[in-house]
Amino acid sequence: QKEVEQNSGPLSVPEGAIASLNCTYSDRGSQSFFWYRQYSGKSPELIMFIYSNGDKEDGRFTAQLNKASQYVSLLIRDSQPSDSATYLCAVSLGAGTALIFGKGTTLSVSS
Amino acid sequence: ETGVTQTPRHLVMGMTNKKSLKCEQHLGHNAMYWYKQSAKKPLELMFVYNFKEQTENNSVPSRFSPECPNSSHLFLHLHTLQPEDSALYLCASSQVGGGYGYTFGSGTRLTVV
Repeated sequence: QKEVEQNSGPLSVPEGAIASLNCTYSDRGSQSFFWYRQYSGKSPELIMFIYSNGDKEDGRFTAQLNKASQYVSLLIRDSQPSDSATYLCAVSLGAGTALIFGKGTTLSVSS
Repeated sequence: ETGVTQTPRHLVMGMTNKKSLKCEQHLGHNAMYWYKQSAKKPLELMFVYNFKEQTENNSVPSRFSPECPNSSHLFLHLHTLQPEDSALYLCASSQVGGGYGYTFGSGTRLTVV
């Protein structure tokens, strides 16, 4: 059973702080890793994807991947109230395979 | 229209009804997906179509019947559903392999009464 695990939260951080969201996956063959943001009542939207070990930065967002530990994280710097949402981690085994999603972590940023 | 559009946005149906959900993508993608999202559960993959051929059926009950007439359109035909089938049904599209992630539609909120 391929699994993607996330702490459901809620994770509460004050405005301007760094939010750290974590995800672990069970299949060592996983190759592609994605972070989606989902506002309440809306559909998921892609924030970032990462394939290689290390960090990938895009604006206030940084994705971190450690394949040896089967761990992927998302850091949000200078958190804003508009970042309050559920963040979904998704994993793919590679070309031709569908994404497997975690349950998501709910982030609440207070002003 | 841009992106992935789903209709209807909301649907209430009785257990004996037959209805269909529609999805259309305007992104030139060649893979389409149906996911089910229930409260407190991860997104559940239901069906995968690559180049309009079904490549994955994730043990979905036969009361859900997908149809993909071409790479831009995807349907989910529903009949004799159960109350536990009430959920948000999301359509997504990507290039085959999904290496750059999926684009989701707005979803259909289904309530079975």
